[in-house]
Amino acid sequence: QITLKESGPTLVKPTQTLTLTCTFSALSLSSSGVGVGWVRQPPGKALEFLALIYWDNNKRYSPSLKSRLTITKDTSKNQVVLTMTNMDPVDTATYYCAHRDQRRGHFDYWGQGTLVTVSS
Amino acid sequence: QSVLTQPPSVSGAPGQRVTISCTGSSSNIGAGYDVHWYQQLPGTAPKLLIYGNTNRPSGVPDRFSGSKSGTSASLAITGLQAEDEADYYCQSYDNSLSASNYVFGTGTKVTVL
Repeated sequence: QITLKESGPTLVKPTQTLTLTCTFSALSLSSSGVGVGWVRQPPGKALEFLALIYWDNNKRYSPSLKSRLTITKDTSKNQVVLTMTNMDPVDTATYYCAHRDQRRGHFDYWGQGTLVTVSS
Repeated sequence: QSVLTQPPSVSGAPGQRVTISCTGSSSNIGAGYDVHWYQQLPGTAPKLLIYGNTNRPSGVPDRFSGSKSGTSASLAITGLQAEDEADYYCQSYDNSLSASNYVFGTGTKVTVL
C-alpha cells in the first residue's frame, strides 16, 4: 500500500521560505512514468497544482508560481522536497503531496495534507 | 486562475441523478489529455474517483461514471446517497504555448437534499 506523508512548519512568517518534505513508502521514484507532486488548497477554496517531479528528474511547475518554487527528490530517502520562497499570507493553505500514476497521469495516492499558516 | 471550469454547486434528492461538468479548452481536454475526477469529503484529502475519463479505481461504486467529449468532461452520480455530499474536482493536463502543467477544476459542491 502506497503511503505519503507531508512534514514541515505549520507557521511561517511573511517573506520567509517554506520547505516541505513528502516522505513516501511502497513506491519507487525510479520507475518509468512515476511522479510525486504537490497540490495546495487555501481554506474554503479549490485545489491548486504547484509542482511535480518525475522519475527521470523532469519537473513541472505552476506557471504562476514557477519563480518561487523548487522541487527536488532524494530517491535513497524516499523523499520529495518542495521549497517556496517569499511566503505571503495568501499562501496559507493545506499542502498535499500525491503520487502520479504512470499509466494515465492521475494522482492516485495522496498524503493527509499539512496546514501551513503564513502570519507575522 | 483555473483553466477548467465547473459549476459551483449541484444538488439532488436521494436516489436522483446529478451531473457535474468540467469545461476546458483546446490546450487541455480538447487536446486529448485525460480527465480525472476526485471526491473530497470535509476535512479530508482528495480521493481518486475516476481516472482516464471513464475508469473507476477498485472500490469506487459504479454509481459514479465519467465521460468526455470535445473540450468538456462530465461526472455523473446516479442513485445519489447522503454519503456523496462532498466537493468534486476534475483534473487534466494543459499544454499551452507558454507552459505545460497539471490543472484542476474550480470544484463543485454536491448537496444531497
